[in-house]
Amino acid sequence: QKEVEQNSGPLSVPEGAIASLNCTYSDRGSQSFFWYRQYSGKSPELIMSIYSNGDKEDGRFTAQLNKASQYVSLLIRDSQPSDSATYLCAVNPVNTNAGKSTFGDGTTLTVKP
Amino acid sequence: SAVISQKPSRDICQRGTSLTIQCQVDSQVTMMFWYRQQPGQSLTLIATANQGSEATYESGFVIDKFPISRPNLTFSTLTVSNMSPEDSSIYLCSVRTGLNGYTFGSGTRLTVV
Repeated sequence: QKEVEQNSGPLSVPEGAIASLNCTYSDRGSQSFFWYRQYSGKSPELIMSIYSNGDKEDGRFTAQLNKASQYVSLLIRDSQPSDSATYLCAVNPVNTNAGKSTFGDGTTLTVKP
Repeated sequence: SAVISQKPSRDICQRGTSLTIQCQVDSQVTMMFWYRQQPGQSLTLIATANQGSEATYESGFVIDKFPISRPNLTFSTLTVSNMSPEDSSIYLCSVRTGLNGYTFGSGTRLTVV
């Protein structure tokens, strides 16, 4: 079992729709959870972080965390073609040095005009 | 958040040679992280570089193959030694930003022929 698993994708949604990206993790003691966006040929960019159960909203992005289910998701509302990218879920397991993240394989999102 | 200058941005190297990648951060940071991203795959941590001490390598990565220097709190280098085509990848340096998320350098795209 991978430590961090994401929808294999690719995911395609029409412009204006809600894109839902999902991630599960194996280490129940994990404390910090992150979503990165990576455009083709570019390095990853941190877009959301979440540490407590529930929802965290930032503009069109909402991160959701459920530690009991070991599940974290990213919702993108009113999806735009510029949101087309690979989204990486990252988790900081409790049994590692602070700041050392484990990444999922990513989900590629395409937003069609 | 920190700004990282990474170079070279890309290189094509002959097998058996070595390449040194440099990262310069615009602020002092305790830890720098070196990741590898193979084509179509996610990020794999190579090592964590602390100033004034030996780098800590992850399973599957050894110092002889990936020597790291960390001469001060704003600079680090990663050398890929005795390269083979399997080393063709994107190499990324990163630092923590905020609460354990990362800021990444722009990446070095290495092709070994």
